[in-house]
Amino acid sequence: NAGVTQTPKFQVLKTGQSMTLQCAQDMNHNSMYWYRQDPGMGLRLIYYSASEGTTDKGEVPNGYNVSRLNKREFSLRLESAAPSQTSVYFCASSFSAIGTNEQFFGPGTRLTVL
Amino acid sequence: QKEVEQDPGPLSVPEGAIVSLNCTYSNSAFQYFMWYRQYSRKGPELLMYTYSSGNKEDGRFTAQVDKSSKYISLFIRDSQPSDSATYLCAMSAGTGNQFYFGTGTSLTVIP
Repeated sequence: NAGVTQTPKFQVLKTGQSMTLQCAQDMNHNSMYWYRQDPGMGLRLIYYSASEGTTDKGEVPNGYNVSRLNKREFSLRLESAAPSQTSVYFCASSFSAIGTNEQFFGPGTRLTVL
Repeated sequence: QKEVEQDPGPLSVPEGAIVSLNCTYSNSAFQYFMWYRQYSRKGPELLMYTYSSGNKEDGRFTAQVDKSSKYISLFIRDSQPSDSATYLCAMSAGTGNQFYFGTGTSLTVIP
């Protein structure tokens, strides 16, 4: 099992450009999450999908959109990138029930916006 | 005020030392508590998971939760250089509620 995979691993964007971060899990998990990790701020939840077909905002959703493409895949889109979105982005998944189940994390995507 | 406070360190100890890592929180509704370990340039991986108050032991690791003081701890006995990483605490009020993470404590174990 690959667990949680993320693409790309690294990305450099110019202000105003758009991009989509891809995430996939092969553990048959129902819930998936997108976090960003910044120095001194820890991990902050951007969006989550409690189950296929549903998505909800987390702590810091502004400037992002998500799509739960199917049970395995959950993508994060930046429509018009800003320097404040420079961060490390982690995708995670859990069997069910946000808030009670262990979350498994991917290796992260390092994004720089110039 | 942040939901979860964690001393960022860095913490440097000699091999074999006992390490104590701590988090405090403000939301009395939190009842699920986790400790994650994150190696440099990697994703976090779960170390310990506890529900409500009490202690939980797993090998060299012990997690403690004191809900009356809103304080959780992770103890590492006989620390090894391979324990060098950033340790993140996380907690949640339960179903339907997101996990809130601490900022992480950077630990270096010197051989």
